Formats: sequence, structure tokens, C-alpha cells
Amino acid sequence: GQQLNQSPQSMFIQEGEDVSMNCTSSSIFNTWLWYKQDPGEGPVLLIALYKAGELTSNGRLTAQFGITRKDSFLNISASIPSDVGIYFCAGQPDTGNQFYFGTGTSLTVIP
Amino acid sequence: KAGVTQTPRYLIKTRGQQVTLSCSPISGHRSVSWYQQTPGQGLQFLFEYFSETQRNKGNFPGRFSGRQFSNSRSEMNVSTLELGDSALYLCASSRTRGLAHYEQYFGPGTRLTVT
Repeated sequence: GQQLNQSPQSMFIQEGEDVSMNCTSSSIFNTWLWYKQDPGEGPVLLIALYKAGELTSNGRLTAQFGITRKDSFLNISASIPSDVGIYFCAGQPDTGNQFYFGTGTSLTVIP
Repeated sequence: KAGVTQTPRYLIKTRGQQVTLSCSPISGHRSVSWYQQTPGQGLQFLFEYFSETQRNKGNFPGRFSGRQFSNSRSEMNVSTLELGDSALYLCASSRTRGLAHYEQYFGPGTRLTVT
């Protein structure tokens, strides 16, 4: 199946700092999704991207669909303690009809 | 609009038993996908149902099966449970465009523990 490389694997940051994470694939994707998951809960959709170069914001979160269509980026500005959790990317390839998921970025925010 | 709901939220079963999990998608969503999530393997795709038909399947043994009803609600069944089946089982629903999906929305999951 498709491999999604998500990095970094974990991050420890001070409250107020900005965060960046990214996902890369070996194939061209037509959709990128970003999720946040709290322990024991299902992933919550943060941002959906459908077009190469698209830049979409949701509050302090901004995500971009890479122009090569093989990568996507998520930025969180001015982090707060409730940003703690695991962030997943998911992509749907041009030739496929299912989503593939990254391995997640675990974010810890130190007050 | 109500989100994706899954029942039960927690389940404890013994090796060899079988289990059925239920998922109700967001109203209007006809595609339901199931995933298994474990710490070691991450999110693994089990299968997808659309209009009561299995449209896509991951690499899981035949002990894992599912079905979808005419109201788009879906169930998944695991027979002859093994210890390694302990996981968070997630259901996700989406609208579709042809074979492809728009964004997927997840339910809260069912935590299955096999002893």
C-alpha cells in the first residue's frame, strides 16, 4: 500500500511557540486531510485540502497542499496546552479510493 | 448534524469469542470505512462499504467481516478473537465523488480488549 512519511514523530515545545509538521507520499494525492486525536478518542478532522498549492486555515492552524501533490504541511501558531495530542495526516491517491494515514506526530506543550 | 456514532464504546471479550461492533454514519454519508488502531501498527484500513456493498478491503484475515444496511449503518464482526485483536476500532463516514472520497469523519471508536 501507499506509504506516508510523517515528521517529526514527536515534538516538545513551550507554550506560545509555533509548530510545523509535514507528510510526504510516494504517489500523487488528490486530497490531504489533517486530524488531531486525543487519547482514547477518535481522530477529529482539522483541515481538508483538495487542490495543489491550496492554503487553508482553521483558527491558529494552517495547512498547505504541496505543489508537487506529494506532500502537505501543517502549522500551529502560538501553541497552547490544549493543542497537546497526536496529529495525523491522511491522503487519498489519484489512482485510489481510500485514505492512507501517516504514523502521527505527538505534540507536547509545556506551560 | 449529528456526528458518527459507535457502539459500544468499550468491550472486553475472551479469546475465541466473537464480537460485533456498530457504526452509524453522518446523515447523508453513504460510505463507511473501518480501521483498526494499535500503538504498534497505527491506523490500519479494514474495509469500506458503500450502498450495502464492500467496495474496498485491507489486508486482514477473513475473521474480520462487515456489512452495511440500507440506512447506511454498518457493523463489523470479528470471529474467533485473538489477543492481538485488542485495539481501538474506528469507523469513519464520508460523502463520495465516484470512487473517491471527500473528507472522512471519525466516530469515537470502540475499545476492544481481548483476554
